[in-house]
Amino acid sequence: AQTVTQSQPEMSVQEAETVTLSCTYDTSESDYYLFWYKQPPSRQMILVIRQEAYKQQNATENRFSVNFQKAAKSFSLKISDSQLGDAAMYFCAGGGSEKLVFGKGTKLTVNP
Amino acid sequence: AAGVIQSPRHLIKEKRETATLKCYPIPRHDTVYWYQQGPGQDPQFLISFYEKMQSDKGSIPDRFSAQQFSDYHSELNMSSLELGDSALYFCASSLSPSYEQYFGPGTRLTVT
Repeated sequence: AQTVTQSQPEMSVQEAETVTLSCTYDTSESDYYLFWYKQPPSRQMILVIRQEAYKQQNATENRFSVNFQKAAKSFSLKISDSQLGDAAMYFCAGGGSEKLVFGKGTKLTVNP
Repeated sequence: AAGVIQSPRHLIKEKRETATLKCYPIPRHDTVYWYQQGPGQDPQFLISFYEKMQSDKGSIPDRFSAQQFSDYHSELNMSSLELGDSALYFCASSLSPSYEQYFGPGTRLTVT
């Protein structure tokens, strides 16, 4: 069984500043992957970043980085230099070899 | 780069009617997943296929069926539609299981 929890329904950040979105997970699988997806108002699901559980190094994609704490089962997303286009719903998701299980999402607002 | 293609993008049906949603995965991707996202909710896994065989099944109603064809495209067939089936239906594909899933734009189904 796998569960993903996002405890922040909404977050806001000023343009050019940094924001961190939280996610915790629980899984019985030994080999799993964690993802952050972005869903803008168009409702397209866009893959932001991926982390393999067996890797100790935190993943980074340009302004997006994760803080993966395996023992604490925590997987937070840091967005640096926030831009207006970052405003969206962000979903944390976990998966083993098959389906993804999503958190309830965090709505991010970016203020100019 | 080629993306996942879903058709139709919008579909309006009446209760008790039948609907067929189509998904064309990214070229060379052999795994297809179907998710349902209700209004204000996170995506919920329905079913997946790997190499044309059903590989996992989630909370898919018995009224729904799906298959993956020899060219790897997939179809989700929905019968006896109910008002509660109104949702955004995503198809995602991956380069075999365990790889990141790339989502299509979704099919917005409205049942009246």
